[in-house]
Amino acid sequence: DQQVKQNSPSLSVQEGRISILNCDYTNSMFDYFLWYKKYPAEGPTFLISISSIKDKNEDGRFTVFLNKSAKHLSLHIVPSQPGDSAVYFCAASLIYNQGGKLIFGQGTELSVKP
Amino acid sequence: DTAVSQTPKYLVTQMGNDKSIKCEQNLGHDTMYWYKQDSKKFLKIMFSYNNKELIINETVPNRFSPKSPDKAHLNLHINSLELGDSAVYFCASSQEKGPRGNTIYFGEGSWLTVV
Repeated sequence: DQQVKQNSPSLSVQEGRISILNCDYTNSMFDYFLWYKKYPAEGPTFLISISSIKDKNEDGRFTVFLNKSAKHLSLHIVPSQPGDSAVYFCAASLIYNQGGKLIFGQGTELSVKP
Repeated sequence: DTAVSQTPKYLVTQMGNDKSIKCEQNLGHDTMYWYKQDSKKFLKIMFSYNNKELIINETVPNRFSPKSPDKAHLNLHINSLELGDSAVYFCASSQEKGPRGNTIYFGEGSWLTVV
């Protein structure tokens, strides 16, 4: 039973436009959420995070929105650039953080076309 | 310098064999992890160690055995390999015992194919 899901396996966006990546979760005990970015043949790298006490966190072109009532978060990239083309993983952490355990979604592959 | 390095990067082996994947981190971190990315692309934690002590041991077949000779190394041994073990295995490390994810550094992954 997957507690974190990214239902769109891929997304294609034109350069300069907004990219919106979505993530749904089922466990209300999650209190911290993260987005990781992964290029081919590399490991995931941290991108941005948000605590459950907030509904928005912004870092440059990247903004993460959290809707706790809907158990939904999204990552907005504005403006999108070709270098943003990668797989984006949503991840969640439990309140008691069980020794660093992160629960990941299956990723969304973003393609930004020039 | 690679912060978290794994070897080998690619491994093709036959069913029934025993193999190991090595991981080393030069970040001075206290905690190391093994994650598995399965065929459905989900990344799932397998183990975590803090200062050579096992912290997390998910529901993983006991054919998988992590070994941490020191806090900079966490190796993964897999006995009697099965077809379903084919996956990408990621090693990771963090400074804290229970970080908030943003301080977890991943290696490049080891692609294991069992034939």
